[in-house]
Formats: sequence, structure tokens, C-alpha cells
Amino acid sequence: QVRLVQSGAEVKKPGASVKVSCKVSGYTLSKLFMHWVRQAPGKGLEWMGGFDPEDGETVYTQKFQGRVTTTADTSTDTAYMELSSLSSEDTAVYYCATLAGVGATYFDSWGQGTLVTVSS
Amino acid sequence: SSELTQDPAVSVALGQTVRITCQGDSLRSYYAGWYQQKPGQAPVVVIDGKNSRPSGIPDRFSGSSSRNTASLTITGAQAEDEADYYCNSRDSSGKHLVFGGGTKLTVL
Repeated sequence: QVRLVQSGAEVKKPGASVKVSCKVSGYTLSKLFMHWVRQAPGKGLEWMGGFDPEDGETVYTQKFQGRVTTTADTSTDTAYMELSSLSSEDTAVYYCATLAGVGATYFDSWGQGTLVTVSS
Repeated sequence: SSELTQDPAVSVALGQTVRITCQGDSLRSYYAGWYQQKPGQAPVVVIDGKNSRPSGIPDRFSGSSSRNTASLTITGAQAEDEADYYCNSRDSSGKHLVFGGGTKLTVL
């Protein structure tokens, strides 16, 4: 059973960066296809990007291109998502989630979420 | 804007059947997954990408698809089913994932 445990809430100033971690247990990060999804207050889920196993590349939605970087430390089974140039519109809960498999369309495990608040 | 369209809100009487739909051109090529999200909680997958229920999901939840529409049906809705429901799939390019706007289900 895959378990994803994320880092705690963050408060950042506009223009700053935030790095959210997602610790994997019960499985090996290198065998998972990690993605990131966010949810602004009172809004719906928004896919940000993640690893596409079909071509072995990390893909991001155009909205976050150039501002988001996802990395993985396989020695600690921890994935990271860093978002830069924050604005108030980036205030949201950020989730890590695993794509169910090669060619899959859904996410089968989710972290508990990390609230990122951007405020001056 | 989302490439997957859901009704913002749906209501159902306790014990009755409700269908929540998700429309999009990409659904002609890709299955949809369905998630239940209760306030303050992370989403939970209730129907996977092959219209199947993951282990632990009650059998009153079922999924189906036809042409450009995916559907989540709850047969005999319970009070605990009141939640937001989201569909997701791939976009028309197949490279990106996308979510529907979500449907708020009220159980009366």
C-alpha cells in the first residue's frame, strides 16, 4: 500500500519560491509516476504536471511552464515540487499523487495536501 | 477552462440513484477516473480508469462511458456520499492530464 506524506503548511511572500515534499512509504519512488495537483480555496482540482512513463519525460501544463520544477530523491523516496515567482493566485492546497500506470489516466494514491499561502 | 465538463451541482434523495456526468472529446479515446472529495480531505478514487471500483469502495458506486461522456452512478445514495466529485482523464493531445470542474452532490 503506497502512502504519501507531504510537508507542512507554508506561508510565503509574493515573488518568493516554495518547495513542497512528498515522502513515499510502502513502495519505491523510482517505480512510481509522481504528479502534482493543486486546489485553490473553494475551487476545483488543477493538474500541474508530472512524470509521463510512456515517453519517460516530465510534462507540465502550459500555465506553470517555467515556474515549476519537480524532482525526486530516490535515496530517501521523496519527491519535490518547487514553484517560483509566487503570487496570491498561487495560494492553494498542493497534492502529490501517483499515476496508476503506463498509459493510465487516473491517480491511485494521494498525499494529504500542503497548504501554501502567499501573502505580503 | 477545463476540457472536461461537469454539472456544478446535483442533488439526490436519500436511497435514490444519481448519475454524475463528465463530457469531453478526449473521452472518446481515454477512460475517466472519478474521485470523491469531502471538505478538508484529499480526493479518493472511487472509479478507476477502466470503470472499475478500487478495493474498499462500496459497490453502490459504478462507472460507465459512452462516446464523449463518462458517468458515475451511485445506486442507493447514502448521507456519507455527500461530497464533491471530480472526473479526470487525458486531454485531446493525450500528453496532459485534466480534471473536470467538479460536481457538488447533495443528499437530501
